[in-house]
Amino acid sequence: KQEVTQIPAALSVPEGENLVLNCSFTDSAIYNLQWFRQDPGKGLTSLLLIQSSQREQTSGRLNASLDKSSGRSTLYIAASQPGDSATYLCAVIVEAGTALIFGKGTTLSVSS
Amino acid sequence: DTAVSQTPKYLVTQMGNDKSIKCEQNLGHDTMYWYKQDSKKFLKIMFSYNNKELIINETVPNRFSPKSPDKAHLNLHINSLELGDSAVYFCASSPRRRFRGTEAFFGQGTRLTVV
Repeated sequence: KQEVTQIPAALSVPEGENLVLNCSFTDSAIYNLQWFRQDPGKGLTSLLLIQSSQREQTSGRLNASLDKSSGRSTLYIAASQPGDSATYLCAVIVEAGTALIFGKGTTLSVSS
Repeated sequence: DTAVSQTPKYLVTQMGNDKSIKCEQNLGHDTMYWYKQDSKKFLKIMFSYNNKELIINETVPNRFSPKSPDKAHLNLHINSLELGDSAVYFCASSPRRRFRGTEAFFGQGTRLTVV
């Protein structure tokens, strides 16, 4: 059974720092992996989608990498800002037609 | 234009009542989902529909019944509400499952509180 783990559960950094959020999954046979952001009391915003054949995806200050063989993904945030404060969720799909399996998230706080 | 929209955003109701949550997507996606986010913020799939056909039905009490009148709409009806049903319910949609890289888009959630 596929399980997704995110470490750390919470992270506090000063503004301007570069940081890495980690995601691991127990079964390397995934279809794709998606990173989301959730602000308090809000819905999920898709940040990056990495297909199983890809190694990384970039969007602005965000870079997500995928290492299927080791069951790991990282989300790199460059030059963090207070507006980046949110919960970041990692989720995988194990095969076509199935639903996302989520980790429990990393809650990021960036102080000015 | 909101891609995935849910109504209502907040729902407070008494135990034993029956309530519905509605979801609509204007992305032209074939697959829609209901997820539940519990008090610990953990998201878990409840149901999935592909072109109005139920394809995923996790271990959910049969008091929960999804209904998809067309591929742009997926509603969730809950009978005999219990305190433990209090949670945030998210609707989501994604493109046809055959395509690789099926990015999912989520609604804003419906916060259900049963008192």
